[in-house]
Amino acid sequence: AQKITQTQPGMFVQEKEAVTLDCTYDTSDPSYGLFWYKQPSSGEMIFLIYQGSYDQQNATEGRYSLNFQKARKSANLVISASQLGDSAMYFCAMREGTDSSYKLIFGSGTRLLVRP
Amino acid sequence: DTGVSQDPRHKITKRGQNVTFRCDPISEHNRLYWYRQTLGQGPEFLTYFQNEAQLEKSRLLSDRFSAERPKGSFSTLEIQRTEQGDSAMYLCASSFHDLRGARTEAFFGQGTRLTVV
Repeated sequence: AQKITQTQPGMFVQEKEAVTLDCTYDTSDPSYGLFWYKQPSSGEMIFLIYQGSYDQQNATEGRYSLNFQKARKSANLVISASQLGDSAMYFCAMREGTDSSYKLIFGSGTRLLVRP
Repeated sequence: DTGVSQDPRHKITKRGQNVTFRCDPISEHNRLYWYRQTLGQGPEFLTYFQNEAQLEKSRLLSDRFSAERPKGSFSTLEIQRTEQGDSAMYLCASSFHDLRGARTEAFFGQGTRLTVV
């Protein structure tokens, strides 16, 4: 069964507007972590934001926030005030268990294009 | 040292040849990870090291693949008898973990893009 599902292969957003990238996950482990990474055309994966399964509040990092709905098993990324430099692939990922390693399961990604 | 470095950035090889990639992690990072990313997909975990010890290997890592981290610093990933299905981006990442469970985030390199013709 697919562990991480990103149903939006591509998204457009107007510069300065907000955009939500969807991510749903599947796990039976009560302890897990959810990550979002950005991959520009240069190839490296850039860490954006992290949410632990026991965290009470939604994670925020600057213009990035994670809309964590545990009962729905969703962890959507919200980017506020989009910038042209936000155009990239975005990947949702999950780490299961209490192991603190970065053995991550990634989704198939969403390509975001910011229009001027 | 400003980040994770991978070499080469691109490699084209003929089917059946052996290839070796190198990853230099951030110097104080004790954990090192290899991932493979095929076109249109997210990265898939291959293996990881704590210092020089290889702690876990994915079943994706067939017997043609071998990874080493001999001195707990840089790592190499070798693919023997390459096949066209090995064409992918190979990403390396590193992080720091201590015994108390404190850790940094994982930092990724820019990857090595392998094309098998």
